[in-house]
Amino acid sequence: AQSVTQLDSQVPVFEEAPVELRCNYSSSVSVYLFWYVQYPNQGLQLLLKYLSGSTLVESINGFEAEFNKSQTSFHLRKPSVHISDTAEYFCAVIPNSGGYQKVTFGTGTKLQVIP
Amino acid sequence: DGGITQSPKYLFRKEGQNVTLSCEQNLNHDAMYWYRQDPGQGLRLIYYSQIVNDFQKGDIAEGYSVSREKKESFPLTVTSAQKNPTAFYLCAAGRASGNTIYFGEGSWLTVV
Repeated sequence: AQSVTQLDSQVPVFEEAPVELRCNYSSSVSVYLFWYVQYPNQGLQLLLKYLSGSTLVESINGFEAEFNKSQTSFHLRKPSVHISDTAEYFCAVIPNSGGYQKVTFGTGTKLQVIP
Repeated sequence: DGGITQSPKYLFRKEGQNVTLSCEQNLNHDAMYWYRQDPGQGLRLIYYSQIVNDFQKGDIAEGYSVSREKKESFPLTVTSAQKNPTAFYLCAAGRASGNTIYFGEGSWLTVV
């Protein structure tokens, strides 16, 4: 079974400051890793994902995440946040064993960007 | 415009009534899912379907029912047996043996 831990339920940060949203996972098998973003009253949008290859993955709006196998982490970072980044962010994992596999989500981190 | 369409966006239900939330996708994905989202609890899986005419219970299936008569449609019925149905409901779809799922815009259900 897998588990995902997002220790920070809320992260306030000033506009143009850097931010890191933490995600740690536990799994007995190799996994794929995802970050989703949810704006108020909307569904989840895929932000970025790690499937294989380079451990550093980037999104089109400046976020990046690095897969660290030894620390079982997939932290999300952005060097300079904007007001529009205010949202809730969910980390997720899925085993890469093939066939149907259940997605496990973290409990989410609310990013509050302060003007 | 491709994607996953959920309707209605907002729905009010009287106690004792069944209601059905619609989910339609034109992504041609085999697998579809229903999640429930409550504040501070993340997402919980209600039901999922990997193929037409087949579906499986998730972690919190009690009080819910689904059908999968067509590949593109996966409606969720919230029955009167669901004790606390007020929540945000999310439908998702993905390849049956794939690794990424995509979400609809969600539906708010409120019991009045």
